[in-house]
Amino acid sequence: QQQVKQSPQSLIVQKGGISIINCAYENTAFDYFPWYQQFPGKGPALLIAIRPDVSEKKEGRFTISFNKSAKQFSLHIMDSQPGDSATYFCAARDFFPDGKLTFGQGTILTVHP
Amino acid sequence: DVKVTQSSRYLVKRTGEKVFLECVQDMDHENMFWYRQDPGLGLRLIYFSYDVKMKEKGDIPEGYSVSREKKERFSLILESASTNQTSMYLCASSPAGRGTQYFGPGTRLTVL
Repeated sequence: QQQVKQSPQSLIVQKGGISIINCAYENTAFDYFPWYQQFPGKGPALLIAIRPDVSEKKEGRFTISFNKSAKQFSLHIMDSQPGDSATYFCAARDFFPDGKLTFGQGTILTVHP
Repeated sequence: DVKVTQSSRYLVKRTGEKVFLECVQDMDHENMFWYRQDPGLGLRLIYFSYDVKMKEKGDIPEGYSVSREKKERFSLILESASTNQTSMYLCASSPAGRGTQYFGPGTRLTVL
């Protein structure tokens, strides 16, 4: 049962363009929505996260937009760079039990120079 | 600096073998997790632990067991490896209180 659905599976963007990855969830008990970035040969690392009482969070070139009524959230990467090429996972955390995350399927982002 | 280490980066085993994957964290975290990562399926939770000697089933526990005898160490055990357990296995840890999860580099297991 996939509780967090992520799209697209893969994305190719030109340098300087905007990358957009979307996620949708069903469980209204989720209370925290992180995005993880994974480079080849490495484990995922937290990139940015948002709580459902906020509609947008920005950190540098990375922005999360959150739509609570639609149960959707998205990651926007502005001015995409070749160094952003990685796999991105959205996730959602249950209020209980402690710390359990449900991940989306992942998006492989390739930024061409 | 936060560190989660996994005993092997690559492992090749034969069908029916017993396989141990070890994970160690040096951050004194209470919570530890085992995931498997497969293309198109994302990360799926196998087992997790909130404290020493405690364990909880995740979404796909069948064919796996875990052991947590010390706070810093969490082991994943495949009692009788099968080819459908060929995958990337990721360990993570987090502090109590639903903090950020920190991941290890992963172990790519191939079962022949």
